[in-house]
Amino acid sequence: DAGVIQSPRHEVTEMGQEVTLRCKPISGHNSLFWYRQTMMRGLELLIYFNNNVPIDDSGMPEDRFSAKMPNASFSTLKIQPSEPRDSAVYFCASSLAQGLNQPQHFGDGTRLSIL
Amino acid sequence: GESVGLHLPTLSVQEGDNSIINCAYSNSASDYFIWYKQESGKGPQFIIDIRSNMDKRQGQRVTVLLNKTVKHLSLQIAATQPGDSAVYFCAENMGGNKLVFGAGTILRVKS
Repeated sequence: DAGVIQSPRHEVTEMGQEVTLRCKPISGHNSLFWYRQTMMRGLELLIYFNNNVPIDDSGMPEDRFSAKMPNASFSTLKIQPSEPRDSAVYFCASSLAQGLNQPQHFGDGTRLSIL
Repeated sequence: GESVGLHLPTLSVQEGDNSIINCAYSNSASDYFIWYKQESGKGPQFIIDIRSNMDKRQGQRVTVLLNKTVKHLSLQIAATQPGDSAVYFCAENMGGNKLVFGAGTILRVKS
């Protein structure tokens, strides 16, 4: 079975550029999560969606960050403009319905480096 | 220069021994807990979960224990193998499917 698929796996770009990270959740899962992992702060939740609707974006660091989920099988996390401190590994995860205490399943992440 | 970051505890065990990884959680109202394993270059991988109405749950070679009195969670791995070497995270459900992750513990298995 296909797991959560993220692209690209690696992204290196110069500061000021727009960065778009992509995620395809596991088919049938209706909750989707974006996380950021750094050595300084560990694994942090940025935003999550239920049934394509953003539920909690309190972890999004700044207005430079935005996330969309146009349909049940695709989500994007965009950073515009990017800054060196945005360098991190960004993970997408998905799970079955909220309220049922289902585990989240993670993709292998996008390693982002902003020069 | 010296790098600054989270200083993860490290557990070193001999191959074949049992491993116990501990985690303290913060919210007494949390009702669901998960253990994840993360290998280098990969995302966290689900190992086992437990709901707050239980105090023990067993899987294949793994057991999770939950002590709600002291807000403590542990993961026991039987007959630890080199492939178990990874960073292990506990996570608690703060409500609404929102997980908060611990800092992690590095497990090193010596052959």
